[in-house]
Amino acid sequence: AQSVTQLGSHVSVSEGALVLLRCNYSSSVPPYLFWYVQYPNQGLQLLLKYTTGATLVKGINGFEAEFKKSETSFHLTKPSAHMSDAAEYFCAVRGYNFNKFYFGSGTKLNVKP
Amino acid sequence: GAVVSQHPSRVICKSGTSVKIECRSLDFQATTMFWYRQFPKQSLMLMATSNEGSKATYEQGVEKDKFLINHASLTLSTLTVTSAHPEDSSFYICSAAGSGETQYFGPGTRLLVL
Repeated sequence: AQSVTQLGSHVSVSEGALVLLRCNYSSSVPPYLFWYVQYPNQGLQLLLKYTTGATLVKGINGFEAEFKKSETSFHLTKPSAHMSDAAEYFCAVRGYNFNKFYFGSGTKLNVKP
Repeated sequence: GAVVSQHPSRVICKSGTSVKIECRSLDFQATTMFWYRQFPKQSLMLMATSNEGSKATYEQGVEKDKFLINHASLTLSTLTVTSAHPEDSSFYICSAAGSGETQYFGPGTRLLVL
């Protein structure tokens, strides 16, 4: 079975500070992992994904995530937060039925000036 | 990247009427499309998965006669909310997947049933 846990429904950082959003997954098959960002009243935009190969994945807007199999984690980081990063972030794992995605509950990122 | 559009972006309707929402993949062929519902401050809830030319597969607890899904072509899927009630008010998001592993999401449709 596949599931995703995002620790922290709300994260608040100061502008310029490190952003760390946590995601842990469970999967009965080698996971494909995704991070999406959602701005208010909009759909989801793909930030980055891990399928195979290099475990450190770089995405758009300076975000990156590292797949750690031993920790079943796929945490999202950004060295320096920008005000425009304020949004909701969703981690997802693709299911055994390749079509189905399992989403975490989301983490709302607030960036303080 | 792949682009998915939804129409309308916002709709207000009277209780008892039906509302159709369109989801289109603009620059790729979507063999599979997904319909999600998102309640305020919550994650996405998968409603159904549709493959072009076949019947949609609904998630447990989703009424297939209330939420009609049609996936007539590789670029278009529609969700019709039949006999809408105020409790159907929500944010509906579609996504599309081609031959790759990624789902690309539409911008969402805000439905308000009065």
